[in-house]
Amino acid sequence: LAKTTQPISMDSYEGQEVNITCSHNNIATNDYITWYQQFPSQGPRFIIQGYKTKVTNEVASLFIPADRKSSTLSLPRVSLSDTAVYYCLVGDKIYNQGGKLIFGQGTELSVKP
Amino acid sequence: EAQVTQNPRYLITVTGKKLTVTCSQNMNHEYMSWYRQDPGLGLRQIYYSMNVEVTDKGDVPEGYKVSRKEKRNFPLILESPSPNQTSLYFCASSAPGQGKNTEAFFGQGTRLTVV
Repeated sequence: LAKTTQPISMDSYEGQEVNITCSHNNIATNDYITWYQQFPSQGPRFIIQGYKTKVTNEVASLFIPADRKSSTLSLPRVSLSDTAVYYCLVGDKIYNQGGKLIFGQGTELSVKP
Repeated sequence: EAQVTQNPRYLITVTGKKLTVTCSQNMNHEYMSWYRQDPGLGLRQIYYSMNVEVTDKGDVPEGYKVSRKEKRNFPLILESPSPNQTSLYFCASSAPGQGKNTEAFFGQGTRLTVV
């Protein structure tokens, strides 16, 4: 399972775009990149998943360069309610690692008014 | 509505008194797992199951047992709880897949205190 490295914390202000980068140098050919969001005392919640290039949904965008050794989660125009911990996970999508998800320490995003 | 349901949400118990935290999912997922979350240590996997009657240890299995007799249920059993098992516990379910997102769904959490 590929190890991931993210910044421990980030600060932002309401209305700004926030980019959180995750490094995964040992990503395997079959691995996908998935991001989760976790609010205090709640279970993590899926945000976005991708394999290469760019993926966008109603919540975020995920940018993956050609070498796939890193990825960037982009949150447009954040609000106070986006204050949370964001986790980057890398793993096999087909078998979903058999349910063996490995969470790193995540990035604690703090959005200020 | 797709969901993972854990019970109880909060539990205070005494050292050595056996307890079970239940987890049920309604999405027909093959994979289920248990995590504990502690300040400064993040989410750590306790046990996971790839299907009925198939379970395996995660990173911190000591002091815990699980069973998977039915696809939808994956209870976490603490035979003799100790104070170091005081934590926030999450159950999750997911499925293999191709051509679609394969996200994990998490329960609301169980906050366990062992005194």
